[in-house]
Amino acid sequence: GESVGLHLPTLSVQEGDNSIINCAYSNSASDYFIWYKQESGKGPQFIIDIRSNMDKRQGQRVTVLLNKTVKHLSLQIAATQPGDSAVYFCAEEYSGTYKYIFGTGTRLKVLA
Amino acid sequence: DGGITQSPKYLFRKEGQNVTLSCEQNLNHDAMYWYRQDPGQGLRLIYYSQIVNDFQKGDIAEGYSVSREKKESFPLTVTSAQKNPTAFYLCASQRATSTDTQYFGPGTRLTVL
Repeated sequence: GESVGLHLPTLSVQEGDNSIINCAYSNSASDYFIWYKQESGKGPQFIIDIRSNMDKRQGQRVTVLLNKTVKHLSLQIAATQPGDSAVYFCAEEYSGTYKYIFGTGTRLKVLA
Repeated sequence: DGGITQSPKYLFRKEGQNVTLSCEQNLNHDAMYWYRQDPGQGLRLIYYSQIVNDFQKGDIAEGYSVSREKKESFPLTVTSAQKNPTAFYLCASQRATSTDTQYFGPGTRLTVL
């Protein structure tokens, strides 16, 4: 498989616990943010998004929080499962540019 | 089955050769993108296209070329001028509107022998 996460920070979580993955974004003018999940050797998979006029958005077992004051984004995964093991990274879009800036990612390991 | 397809999944190139990576989407998206992914780094933009017959250089366009003759297709050629082409290449697409989700293909792993 593709070794995309050789030197990434790693978060280890017990199965069933909640996970929190953090991301610091770079541009205060960014107005759209996405969290992706990437398994080894595969393309990134969309998880959840949030626009800058919101502070929180919930999906199925996932919640994204946006703190524009400190340019911080977090992804919360409830009741973490073995299938959640992957690299997670955030992306920000500069308003109107059609271009995204991607974070380097965090590897999530779920311990049985 | 809608989505983005990339081929081949694995590609091997000898030094001095050009190779072309395929990307096709049936999502009716106007915008398409090519990224390069290296271990421990975020995705880096190579080229993008917002409309047929038009494309723009991204942050690392040197040694690459693209074409956008059809809305569904955005092939990437890795030329011999690219000095370190071994990487995982990802194609993505999104609707024309800004602040919209980019969806990714499964990727092509290119290795230079």
